Amino acid sequence: AQKVTQAQTEISVVEKEDVTLDCVYETRDTTYYLFWYKQPPSGELVFLIRRNSFDEQNEISGRYSWNFQKSTSSFNFTITASQVVDSAVYFCAGGGNAGNMLTFGGGTRLMVKP
Amino acid sequence: DSGVTQTPKHLITATGQRVTLRCSPRSGDLSVYWYQQSLDQGLQFLIQYYNGEERAKGNILERFSAQQFPDLHSELNLSSLELGDSALYFCASSVDVTGTGAFGYTFGSGTRLTVV
Repeated sequence: AQKVTQAQTEISVVEKEDVTLDCVYETRDTTYYLFWYKQPPSGELVFLIRRNSFDEQNEISGRYSWNFQKSTSSFNFTITASQVVDSAVYFCAGGGNAGNMLTFGGGTRLMVKP
Repeated sequence: DSGVTQTPKHLITATGQRVTLRCSPRSGDLSVYWYQQSLDQGLQFLIQYYNGEERAKGNILERFSAQQFPDLHSELNLSSLELGDSALYFCASSVDVTGTGAFGYTFGSGTRLTVV
């Protein structure tokens, strides 16, 4: 069975601070995929990034960056110079080839205050 | 617009009633997934269909059922509704059976069900 742990249930920062959201994915699969989704106050779920277990390169997209470390099963997400519009619930999810669905973590609510 | 269409967006109904939530997947996607998100809860997987057949079942109550039709749209039926069924119900679709493709799942905007 697979398990996704987002230990931070809620984070509050002031605008322009950097913030890192943690995610730990536990699985026996040797090949698997990890995702981050954003759920803004409006409720929809927005895909942010996908990473496979063979690719440990960090990825940067604008103010967003992701750090995957297979040795610690962590797939952390950093927002640089946070903005109020980043306020949302962020979900980490993981799945393997043998699985039929993605397993989601409990989410981290990020509040960015002006 | 994600390409996944869910209707209705909002639904208010009384306890004991039955409702049907509808989902049209993104064009070309064969898998449909249903998730329930209760207040302050994460996403709970309910059920998956792939090309018309049930593929996986999660924490779906016996009062709930789903199906996927030949045109690939899916319906989630909730019956004998209770107050605790109030939640946001998401439908997602993916092109493959695992949902681990390039973009994972594409989610619809959800149906907010309120049971009074």
